[in-house]
Order: sequence, then C-alpha cells, then structure tokens
Amino acid sequence: AQSVTQPDIHITVSEGASLELRCNYSYGATPYLFWYVQSPGQGLQLLLKYFSGDTLVQGIKGFEAEFKRSQSSFNLRKPSVHWSDAAEYFCAVAHLYNFNKFYFGSGTKLNVKP
Amino acid sequence: DVKVTQSSRYLVKRTGEKVFLECVQDMDHENMFWYRQDPGLGLRLIYFSYDVKMKEKGDIPEGYSVSREKKERFSLILESASTNQTSMYLCASSPREEGLEKLFFGSGTQLSVL
Repeated sequence: AQSVTQPDIHITVSEGASLELRCNYSYGATPYLFWYVQSPGQGLQLLLKYFSGDTLVQGIKGFEAEFKRSQSSFNLRKPSVHWSDAAEYFCAVAHLYNFNKFYFGSGTKLNVKP
Repeated sequence: DVKVTQSSRYLVKRTGEKVFLECVQDMDHENMFWYRQDPGLGLRLIYFSYDVKMKEKGDIPEGYSVSREKKERFSLILESASTNQTSMYLCASSPREEGLEKLFFGSGTQLSVL
C-alpha cells in the first residue's frame, strides 16, 4: 500500500539553527513528491515539489528538499530557521493525474524558540 | 492570485443536522477537492470533481455527498452530522492540465458537531 511517513510529530529548534524534517514514502510507481506548509488558521501552501531531474530541489522561503530513491526519502531542510517558520509541515506523494492517489503524511509541527 | 474561499471559518452544528460546507474558487479551475484534516492523520480526500456535475469518491466518502452545479462552486454535504465528523475541512482547486502540480487550498472550515 502507498503511504507517507513523517516520523516526527513535533520538532523544536532555536531561531537561526538548521532544520531537517523527515519524510519517507512507500509508492509503487515513480513518485511525485511535495512539501506543504500550513500556518495557524491558514490553508496549505506549496513549498516545493519534485517530479524528475535534479534530486535537490529549491522552494520558497529558503527551503530545499532532497529526493533519495535508495532511501525512499524526501527530507526538507533549511539552513537557518526564522521565527515565522513556526507552522505545520506536510509531505505528500502523488501520481500527478490520478487524483485519488495523492497521499499526505500526518504532519510535523515546528516550534521555533527565540 | 488564485483565491479559494470557504464560506465559514468556524461552524457548530448539532448531531443529525444537515450541514453544507461551501467552497468557491475564482480562477476557472476544472478540478476541485474536499479534504478532511485530523491531528495525526494528515489530510484525507473525501470527494473530488473534475468538471461541472462530475464527482468521484476519495478515500473516505462515507457520510458525505457533494454538489457541483457551477464550475466555481463545490459544496460538501453532511446528510446527518455525527460527532465523528468533527474536523477541519479543506477545499482545494487546480487547473485540469496541471493536475496536482498546482493545487490551491482554502483556509479551512473547523466544524464541531455536538
């Protein structure tokens, strides 16, 4: 069965520290991978996506993610976290045109200490 | 900018009531989606629609129905609300030719069923 696992429910980092949020997927076909962010009281906003090509993808707000096929992972990183990055982050895997096969992880809540 | 508007931010209903959640998008998107978001479970697809009057079941359609009479509006209906339908409901839309590559979310409706 296809699935997305985000093993960390909550993460707390200090402002200015680096961040890595983990995502592992199980998917039979070539995956399309996404990271979304949800700020309190807001809908989801796309941070970045991977379809093919360079396995290191850059997104908005200084985020990047690396696709590692051998590890079935698509971890999100940021070199220096800002207080405004406090939010919930969702990893998702999809078949691009099969709407029923779009799976979200359970989310990771990020707290940022001043 | 694409705007996906959900009519209510918070809604409180009684068990057994018929509940309508409304979603309107202003970018002429063909595809519209209803997700349910619960802590620890991520987002789960309830229904989606790829055209007016067309609908497809997602992963958890039981207890829900949908209506798409106009392209810009996609309604989620709880025929007889139950307490286990207390949740955050997110609407999303995307253009047909770009599928899930450009998925835009509304801000969500937090529904409480008492």
